[in-house]
Amino acid sequence: AQTVTQSQPEMSVQEAETVTLSCTYDTSESDYYLFWYKQPPSRQMILVIRQEAYKQQNATENRFSVNFQKAAKSFSLKISDSQLGDAAMYFCAYTGTYKYIFGTGTRLKVLA
Amino acid sequence: DTGVSQDPRHKITKRGQNVTFRCDPISEHNRLYWYRQTLGQGPEFLTYFQNEAQLEKSRLLSDRFSAERPKGSFSTLEIQRTEQGDSAMYLCASSLDPGNSPLHFGNGTRLTVT
Repeated sequence: AQTVTQSQPEMSVQEAETVTLSCTYDTSESDYYLFWYKQPPSRQMILVIRQEAYKQQNATENRFSVNFQKAAKSFSLKISDSQLGDAAMYFCAYTGTYKYIFGTGTRLKVLA
Repeated sequence: DTGVSQDPRHKITKRGQNVTFRCDPISEHNRLYWYRQTLGQGPEFLTYFQNEAQLEKSRLLSDRFSAERPKGSFSTLEIQRTEQGDSAMYLCASSLDPGNSPLHFGNGTRLTVT
């Protein structure tokens, strides 16, 4: 069975600085997709960034980028120039066919 | 695109009562998911529909839980004889084919069983 592990329950970053959130996963599938979702307090979960496993190039979306290491089954999220609005729970997610499996999340605090 | 909507936003019920939640997915999305999220945890998969067919149901779902998606549009999740352990946020999400399309989540229904 596939699993997703986020080993950092909480992280803090100074405004305008860079922070990296870690995620590892386990799967025997060769074709799959990885996502990072953001869940602000009392608000709905939204997609931050997506990575296709068959692509070697790391995905980027503005200030958000990933470091995808397929052999190590690692998928970290880097947030550059952190803003107060980035404060939220961040969930790493995996899907092979249709079921999405989520990690336990990392709470990101942004310090002014 | 009006987004995924869920109703109600909050539900407080007494142990032993039945509750029903509704989810309206994005209209063109044929895939619909229910997840459960407890405080400090990630969403846990409950069940999945492709159009009106329920293709998978998690072992987390006891016989007290049932979900439907008539005509492949909105979906309902019913919990019978609620227990305090059912207290959680119930999230609905929808997506397009193929299966790697990102999920679009609703705001969730927070259930409190007293």
